[in-house]
Amino acid sequence: NAGVTQTPKFQVLKTGQSMTLQCAQDMNHNSMYWYRQDPGMGLRLIYYSASEGTTDKGEVPNGYNVSRLNKREFSLRLESAAPSQTSVYFCASSSGFGGYEQYFGPGTRLTVT
Amino acid sequence: AQRVTQPEKLLSVFKGAPVELKCNYSYSGSPELFWYVQYSRQRLQLLLRHISRESIKGFTADLNKGETSFHLKKPFAQEEDSAMYYCALRDQAGTALIFGKGTTLSVSS
Repeated sequence: NAGVTQTPKFQVLKTGQSMTLQCAQDMNHNSMYWYRQDPGMGLRLIYYSASEGTTDKGEVPNGYNVSRLNKREFSLRLESAAPSQTSVYFCASSSGFGGYEQYFGPGTRLTVT
Repeated sequence: AQRVTQPEKLLSVFKGAPVELKCNYSYSGSPELFWYVQYSRQRLQLLLRHISRESIKGFTADLNKGETSFHLKKPFAQEEDSAMYYCALRDQAGTALIFGKGTTLSVSS
């Protein structure tokens, strides 16, 4: 099992450009999450999907959109990238919602210039 | 408000020394707490959770409701323990995990 996979691993964007971060899990998990990790800020939840067909905002959703394409895939879209979105983005999944153990992907390092 | 506080950004110890990574939380009711670890160039992974009361890689953490703390301890640090450690709290709505800002543990010989 690959677990949680993310593409791309690295990306450089110019301000105003758009892109989609892809995430997939092969553990048949119901819930999926997107976090961003910034120095001194820890991990902050951007969006989550408790189950297929549902998505909800987390702590820092502004500037992002998500799509739960199916049970396996959960994508994060930046419509108009800003330098403040320079960060490392982690996708995670869990079998149950909320307190169950979360399994993390390797991360995508995004730089917006 | 629900919050997780890790007061130390960096903790440096020598190999063989005891380690205590501090975590305090703010929560109404019975909290569910976790410690996650991120080794260099590896993904974030669960280290332990308070419900299971287990010891993983020599680490333990006890929930102290009176002090609202969930400190991570190890009696004798090893160099391979060097990593970033995050304390996390399941939020009241059961939505997701609230992470602290993390503590970098550096163990040197």
